[in-house]
This record gives sequence, structure tokens and C-alpha cells, in this order.
Amino acid sequence: DAKTTQPTSMDCAEGRAANLPCNHSTISGNEYVYWYRQIHSQGPQYIIHGLKNNETNEMASLIITEDRKSSTLILPHATLRDTAVYYCIAVHSGNTPLVFGKGTRLSVIA
Amino acid sequence: NAGVTQTPKFQVLKTGQSMTLQCAQDMNHEYMSWYRQDPGMGLRLIHYSVGAGITDQGEVPNGYNVSRSTTEDFPLRLLSAAPSQTSVYFCASSGEGTTEAFFGQGTRLTVV
Repeated sequence: DAKTTQPTSMDCAEGRAANLPCNHSTISGNEYVYWYRQIHSQGPQYIIHGLKNNETNEMASLIITEDRKSSTLILPHATLRDTAVYYCIAVHSGNTPLVFGKGTRLSVIA
Repeated sequence: NAGVTQTPKFQVLKTGQSMTLQCAQDMNHEYMSWYRQDPGMGLRLIHYSVGAGITDQGEVPNGYNVSRSTTEDFPLRLLSAAPSQTSVYFCASSGEGTTEAFFGQGTRLTVV
């Protein structure tokens, strides 16, 4: 699975959009981009995933560049409860064991 | 629907003791895996299973055994606990295709 690179930490004001970048320049054509988050040492929680097209669900939007070398997770209106570590993972399928990096620690500030 | 259930939530062991961390899922998922997370670090894969009777090693398998006799259960055995195994352990499961993985709430293990 392709290696991903994320910033170590980011801050976001409450109510503003949080844009979390991820670089996956070696991603192959059949690898998906998955996002998970971990709130305060709880078990990781799935957010969203995509292959080529942009995706949106009730939690977030995922924007994947046309060359698929990078993506951005967007939390449209961040709240204090969105403070967490966010992991971007490239995998061949949902059933491939996930390999976690260190993720981005997002702090939402009141 | 309980999802992924891990027991116990907390455990203190003495060096050299053995124990089994339990993981059960009620979603009929074929795929299950175990991770450990040390303070300030990301999750590291210990062992995983793609179905009953099939297991494989992850990146940090030493000191741990697994078996998968049923679809629902995937226990992790510590053969002879060491202080280096002090960590938080997470179990996960997922179904067929490009589906999400569900994680348990973790077992916090301290080896003294």
C-alpha cells in the first residue's frame, strides 16, 4: 500500500471549515484513500473513503486531485468534538489490513 | 447490535504471566485484526485474519499468538508478558468489499 504523508498538527477555529491535507504520490490505480479519526484514545472511527471521484457524507467531504497524488478531507463546520487525530490511509480494498501512520492532530479552538 | 466488543477494558499483568485478550463481533465480518498503540504513537498491526481458520502476521507479531476458530471471535494471546507489551490494544473487523473497519474501544494493558 502507498505511503501517505500528513502534517503533524493543525488548528481550526470552531465553526470554520477544517481542511486536512494528505499526500499519497505513489498511490496505485486500484488503491482507495480512507480517512479515520481517533478521539482521545478511543477506537478509530471511519469517516469517508474514495477512489477517484470526490465524495461527501454526513461527516465530511473528500476531495481527490485528478492525478490522485493528494487529497483533502474537509470538515465543513468544525466543532470542539472534532478535536482528534486524523489518519489518511491508502489501501487496495476495505479488507486489506490498515497501516496507520502518525496522522494529523486537529485541535478545534473555541 | 453491539459491533466490536473487547474484554477486558483494563488489565495489569506481572512479567511472565500469560493472558488472552478477547475480541468478538456480531456483524458477520470475515476480516478481523489486532493493533497495539503505544503512547503518542499510531496503531501498529499485530495479527490479522481473513476468515475462520486463516490468520497472518502483521508488523509486530512477536510475543503474540492468535487463532480464528469462529467468524465471531478473534482472541489475542500473550504468551509471557513483558513490560514492552504495555500498550493499548485495539481489535477491528470489516466485511467484504470496500467497506469501513469497525474498531473496539480498546484494552489497556500494563505489564509490571
